[in-house]
Amino acid sequence: QKEVEQNSGPLSVPEGAIASLNCTYSDRVSQSFFWYRQYSGKSPELIMSIYSNGDKEDGRFTAQLNKASQYVSLLIRDSQPSDSATYLCAVNRRGNQFYFGTGTSLTVIP
Amino acid sequence: DGGITQSPKYLFRKEGQNVTLSCEQNLNHDAMYWYRQDPGQGLRLIYYSQIVNDFQKGDIAEGYSVSREKKESFPLTVTSAQKNPTAFYLCASTPGYGSSWPAGYEQYFGPGTRLTVT
Repeated sequence: QKEVEQNSGPLSVPEGAIASLNCTYSDRVSQSFFWYRQYSGKSPELIMSIYSNGDKEDGRFTAQLNKASQYVSLLIRDSQPSDSATYLCAVNRRGNQFYFGTGTSLTVIP
Repeated sequence: DGGITQSPKYLFRKEGQNVTLSCEQNLNHDAMYWYRQDPGQGLRLIYYSQIVNDFQKGDIAEGYSVSREKKESFPLTVTSAQKNPTAFYLCASTPGYGSSWPAGYEQYFGPGTRLTVT
């Protein structure tokens, strides 16, 4: 079983819609959770981190964490064409290593 | 500007040659990491280092070597023993254990080096 799993997509949404990206993780002791955005040919950029159950909002982005279900999601409201990218989910167990999913490709259609 | 720099951006080598990828950070971060990314795959950890003069193997260390002689520098050598070295190489850092939880575990990436071996 992989440490972190994401649907690879591609996910397509129209401009202005809500994009919903999902991630599950296998180790219950995971304590910190991250979402990265990666444009084609570029390195990952940290866009959200979440550590407690519930929602965390930052602008158009909302991260949701449910530790009981081992599930973390990212909602992007009012999606823009510039949001088109691959989104990587990552977890850390308060240790040295980070575990990454393979990413979900998002396309926002104008 | 604080950040992580990697050089060169693109690197071409012949098979059988060793090559060293540079990674420098001026964020005063303790921990540094090297990942490899192949098309359609997630990030795979090669090596990481929490402090100067100490480093640990990641999941795919075979054919790679690193050094950590200075806090700000963590070069990666891709040796001729690496069977399939063509990939996108990413260096990352986190503030490290000396920082407060949880912000000390936010990981930031450099721009990457794309290595092609023919």
